[in-house]
Amino acid sequence: GNSVTQMEGPVTLSEEAFLTINCTYTATGYPSLFWYVQYPGEGLQLLLKATKADDKGSNKGFEATYRKETTSFHLEKGSVQVSDSAVYFCALSAAYSNNDMRFGAGTRLTVKP
Amino acid sequence: NAGVTQTPKFQVLKTGQSMTLQCAQDMNHNSMYWYRQDPGMGLRLIYYSASEGTTDKGEVPNGYNVSRLNKREFSLRLESAAPSQTSVYFCASSGRGWPQHFGDGTRLSIL
Repeated sequence: GNSVTQMEGPVTLSEEAFLTINCTYTATGYPSLFWYVQYPGEGLQLLLKATKADDKGSNKGFEATYRKETTSFHLEKGSVQVSDSAVYFCALSAAYSNNDMRFGAGTRLTVKP
Repeated sequence: NAGVTQTPKFQVLKTGQSMTLQCAQDMNHNSMYWYRQDPGMGLRLIYYSASEGTTDKGEVPNGYNVSRLNKREFSLRLESAAPSQTSVYFCASSGRGWPQHFGDGTRLSIL
C-alpha cells in the first residue's frame, strides 16, 4: 500500500543553518506530495505541495522537489530561524483518491539562537 | 477568522463512556476529515465526508461513528470508549481535494 517514510528526529540546528528533512514514499501511480508543519499546541498547516514529477513546491523559504526516480520529496531551507521550530510531516495523496492521504511520523525541528 | 473550530480541547473519559467531538468550519468547504495523531505514527484518517450528507471510512474507523450535520459541521462519536482510543484528534477541511485547514485538536485520555 501507499506509505511515507521520513527522517527520524529530533533535529536540532543553530539559527541560520541549512535544513534538510528527508522523505521517501511508496505509492502506485503518480501521487501528490505535501509537507505540513505543526507548531506547538496547534493543528497542522499545509506548508507546500507538488502534484507531478519534477515540480518544486515552495513557501516561506522552504522548498521540496518531487523526484519520481528516487521516490523522494526532501524538505530544505537555506537558513533556518528560531520561529521554524515545529514538527514537520511529509504526506502523500493517492493518485486515485484525494481522500486517501498518508502521513509520515513527523520530524521535530528545534532551532537554537 | 475562525477557520476550523474543535470542541472540547481536552477530555478525560472512563472506559465505556461515550462522547462526541464537535468540529465546525466557516470556509464553505465541501470536504471534512477526522484524524487521530499518535506518537511516532503521524496522522491516520478515521472518517471523511466529501460533501454534506456523505461519509466514508478511512484507515482506522473501528470504534467511531460520524455525522455530517450540515456543510459546516462534522462530528465524531465514540460510543464506548476504550484506552486504545487515547489520542489527539484533529478535524480538517478542504475545498481542493486534500486537507488544507486543521483545527487545534482535541486531546482525549481514556482511563
